[in-house]
Amino acid sequence: QSVLTQPPSVSGAPGQRVTISCTGSRSNIGAGYDVHWYQLLPGTAPKLLIYGNTNRPSGVPDRFSGSKSGASAFLVITGLQAEDEADYYCQSYASGLRLFGGGTKVTVL
Amino acid sequence: QVQLQEAGPGLVKPSETLSLTCSVSDSSITDYYWSWIRRSPGKGLEWIGYIHYSGSTKYNSPFKSRVTMSIDTSSNEFSLRLSSMTAADTALYYCARSRYSSSSPLDNWGQGTLVTVSS
Repeated sequence: QSVLTQPPSVSGAPGQRVTISCTGSRSNIGAGYDVHWYQLLPGTAPKLLIYGNTNRPSGVPDRFSGSKSGASAFLVITGLQAEDEADYYCQSYASGLRLFGGGTKVTVL
Repeated sequence: QVQLQEAGPGLVKPSETLSLTCSVSDSSITDYYWSWIRRSPGKGLEWIGYIHYSGSTKYNSPFKSRVTMSIDTSSNEFSLRLSSMTAADTALYYCARSRYSSSSPLDNWGQGTLVTVSS
């Protein structure tokens, strides 16, 4: 059981919008710690998708966006594309330790 | 372009010690913190800990009793040793970089190396 809770899976048709939630508590996300998001594709290095709750690294398409409210964070993919089919993980902190969510598999229908 | 490359045995026997190395290219190993993360079959990502070139380390609670990390600035490499391996330690092990010890993201990762624990 991960400390940060994500839905195991979400799906959408190409062009649709999907949202992945990451729910923590007052000791981690709710304490004000940043949330980062990673994309995992088979056979490739995990990729930083969103950092500091809302920021996109250079090269990440703007259809990916992040937000945070209270003890939860959200990753939104707008205009879903076939290449977005992957596993997505949120990450935050507590007591100096990095915490990961359980991961969400995004399926493009 | 920063590159991280994990290297290790692939297969480890139960009760033995796993040794992995991460080679870092195009990034000074002294400017960052270096983490190990794993992904077990059917499970999510699990942060094992980090090391800094100063020798400072932080280990996640489930691993504290059996993990050791080291760093070699002359060869731009850092290493993980995990003792008393069991089948539950079968996983894809990644190394990754962050700017600071906490609150900064893991901005570059290796592709991972698969470790299977079996006799």
